[in-house]
Amino acid sequence: QTVVTQEPSLTVSPGGTVTLTCASSTGAVTSGDYPNWFQQKPGQAPRPLIYGTSNKHSWTPARFSGSLLGGKAALTLSGVQPEDEAEYYCLLHYDGTYVFGTGTKVTVL
Amino acid sequence: QVQLVQSGAEVKKPGASVKVSCKASGYTFTDYAMHWVRQAPGQRLEWMGWINAGNGNTKYSQKFQGRLTIVRDTSASTAYMELSSLRSEDTAVYYCARGFAGVAGLDYWGQGTLVTVSS
Repeated sequence: QTVVTQEPSLTVSPGGTVTLTCASSTGAVTSGDYPNWFQQKPGQAPRPLIYGTSNKHSWTPARFSGSLLGGKAALTLSGVQPEDEAEYYCLLHYDGTYVFGTGTKVTVL
Repeated sequence: QVQLVQSGAEVKKPGASVKVSCKASGYTFTDYAMHWVRQAPGQRLEWMGWINAGNGNTKYSQKFQGRLTIVRDTSASTAYMELSSLRSEDTAVYYCARGFAGVAGLDYWGQGTLVTVSS
């Protein structure tokens, strides 16, 4: 069973920058894994932010960006706002199936 | 505008089955896929499976093989997720989400359906 691992929690100051990562137990994450990133706030459905490693949806704020970093998928939040406090999940594609990451709780403090 | 509207909350006994619907509007239903994702209370998101709404082909997470069935009714632009042999660990919010551009990702999500399994 494939495991996708994220940092459990990260803390960032308002206006700061934070990078979340997403690692696969099968090896390096590549663009062929089509990394997606989602933001979820309590009691709400997930909100898609990034697809295909680095592509933004029409509603994704410019301060969110996706990339590959050191064999992992990465989500960088630049100029963090208080409303960015949330849980963030990555999603990787494996031969027609998908696996969500363990999730990262981002606290803005 | 794209909308996915799911059926209402369900309470089921262990061993029973549940069928959740997801009605799509605002786009051509058969041009996209539909995924099902669940989230147990306080837990992470869990991908369950998906259906190509055009040809009806499905793919399921190995975890749910044999218990999960995803079908669609193209005339009603609706996808259905049926989970059988329910146990307490299946208590969760179940979401449908539209898959786009082949396997590129998920964009629009339903509001979620709470399924509670309790004796």
